[in-house]
Amino acid sequence: KQEVTQIPAALSVPEGENLVLNCSFTDSAIYNLQWFRQDPGKGLTSLLLIQSSQREQTSGRLNASLDKSSGRSTLYIAASQPGDSATYLCAVRGTGNQFYFGTGTSLTVIP
Amino acid sequence: KAGVTQTPRYLIKTRGQQVTLSCSPISGHRSVSWYQQTPGQGLQFLFEYFSETQRNKGNFPGRFSGRQFSNSRSEMNVSTLELGDSALYLCASRFDRVPVSPLHFGNGTRLTVT
Repeated sequence: KQEVTQIPAALSVPEGENLVLNCSFTDSAIYNLQWFRQDPGKGLTSLLLIQSSQREQTSGRLNASLDKSSGRSTLYIAASQPGDSATYLCAVRGTGNQFYFGTGTSLTVIP
Repeated sequence: KAGVTQTPRYLIKTRGQQVTLSCSPISGHRSVSWYQQTPGQGLQFLFEYFSETQRNKGNFPGRFSGRQFSNSRSEMNVSTLELGDSALYLCASRFDRVPVSPLHFGNGTRLTVT
């Protein structure tokens, strides 16, 4: 069964800092990997989706990379802002069409 | 385009009761999946429906059931509620006509069982 792990569980950084969030998965047979953010009490907002054949995707200050063979993905956030404070989750879509979620990294950006 | 809509936003029920949650996917999306989110377990997959058929099912007891209608709207039902069913229930829809299409989530229904 696919297991998805996110480290660290929580992260606190000063405004303006660049940061990296990590996601690892145990089964490399995946269709894609998706990064989300979740604000307290809300649903998940999709940030980036990387297909299994891709190495990275970029959207504004966000860059996500995928190394399928090592079972790893990173989400890079440049020039962090207080509005980036949220929980970030990664999800992998396995060959059985099911999505498996990590437990998330809670990010706090201090003004 | 309207996003995924879940109703109601909040529910308070008593142990032993049953509850029905509703989800309207993004227009054109035929895949709808349901997730339970709790602080201890994170996001856990309940089931997925596609064209009115259950396509995938997670590891939850039979008290959790769902269905999908011809307009792709979906409902989830939990019978004989237990305290441990208190959670945020999230619905997600997907276009599913291309090999890789992202999940889009609603804001969830917060269920509290007392």
